[in-house]
Amino acid sequence: QKEVEQNSGPLSVPEGAIASLNCTYSDRGSQSFFWYRQYSGKSPELIMFIYSNGDKEDGRFTAQLNKASQYVSLLIRDSQPSDSATYLCAVVPSGYSTLTFGKGTMLLVSP
Amino acid sequence: DVKVTQSSRYLVKRTGEKVFLECVQDMDHENMFWYRQDPGLGLRLIYFSYDVKMKEKGDIPEGYSVSREKKERFSLILESASTNQTSMYLCASSVGGDLAKNIQYFGAGTRLSVL
Repeated sequence: QKEVEQNSGPLSVPEGAIASLNCTYSDRGSQSFFWYRQYSGKSPELIMFIYSNGDKEDGRFTAQLNKASQYVSLLIRDSQPSDSATYLCAVVPSGYSTLTFGKGTMLLVSP
Repeated sequence: DVKVTQSSRYLVKRTGEKVFLECVQDMDHENMFWYRQDPGLGLRLIYFSYDVKMKEKGDIPEGYSVSREKKERFSLILESASTNQTSMYLCASSVGGDLAKNIQYFGAGTRLSVL
């Protein structure tokens, strides 16, 4: 079983706010976790990856991983209209070498 | 910059036709992947390859085959196209290694319509 669940959204936040995007996964043995961003009509691009429990920060982005709760999140601080996109959570389940993607959460940042 | 190039942006084919989707990467990446993306179903892995001449089935390989004769090129083949294969097809590549192989670079995609 290798399901990755995301709320489809849209998640609407005002410019300058913190956007919080959430993802749960079914396989407790999953080891690595990725966030990809996909603008409308474009292909996905990697934002961040995280392997260890806790937080990982990169600029305005923070990935948070809680393996006990099987939960990974992406926080975007000081959200900008240019952050409006669909965010795809991806997981490598145990016993697999490839990514399983969630269906994505659409984020809308209003000026 | 990594460049993954898919040969066609849009394709229209007839049911029963043999369809070739081509993907070329210019960064000497070991790994290449083919996905399809459908509304409500997300991104799903069709086939992948970790080396020349090597291929492995992904989650939805039925109705598809692949070819990797050269390191930089990975082809997806629809032997007999059907309407349920109408979709956006995305190619991706990555370097080797357990950690890096899932840092994938995607092509622009090919929107295939099968009529």
